[in-house]
Amino acid sequence: DVKVTQSSRYLVKRTGEKVFLECVQDMDHENMFWYRQDPGLGLRLIYFSYDVKMKEKGDIPEGYSVSREKKERFSLILESASTNQTSMYLCASSSPREGNQPQHFGDGTRLSIL
Amino acid sequence: RKEVEQDPGPFNVPEGATVAFNCTYSNSASQSFFWYRQDCRKEPKLLMSVYSSGNEDGRFTAQLNRASQYISLLIRDSKLSDSATYLCVVKGNNAGNMLTFGGGTRLMVKP
Repeated sequence: DVKVTQSSRYLVKRTGEKVFLECVQDMDHENMFWYRQDPGLGLRLIYFSYDVKMKEKGDIPEGYSVSREKKERFSLILESASTNQTSMYLCASSSPREGNQPQHFGDGTRLSIL
Repeated sequence: RKEVEQDPGPFNVPEGATVAFNCTYSNSASQSFFWYRQDCRKEPKLLMSVYSSGNEDGRFTAQLNRASQYISLLIRDSKLSDSATYLCVVKGNNAGNMLTFGGGTRLMVKP
């Protein structure tokens, strides 16, 4: 089974802090994604990466950056956290080698910015 | 207009009932379609892919109508454990495997 692991289930940070959310997958997947999920808005794509050191903006990249230095790890960075970034953050991975390329999700990180 | 639209529900049904969810998508170039299930405070998990010919997995049947840009999920003989949010998901014609998620339909199966 694909395992996507997010470093924290719950995280509380303060406004203005730099926040790192880490995601690791163990299936040698090429593609990795960061979403946020908010009530009434569903899942929205922040950034994705289809290879090491490659990154592409999703629908809502403002206020975020990402890093993919190794294939198995995709980090989401909040440069200066703000209260409107309080949300559930979900990491996912997928591979062209898997038919239809379904995405496999981590457990999610519930981030609160005070 | 949202790219993928679903009725948010909730759908409240008794155990044993048959329930159907619908989903419409706006991008006619969409290539792949999925239903994901998400339990409260958990991550989405793939329930089934949706094929043009329709496909069935136990009590679950998925249908795709490309002409009408419409996907459906039918659950027969509902169980309490089917209570969850069902996400309609569409993959467009893009190289990065970007998926577009519907807002989800909440199902509550009551005893």
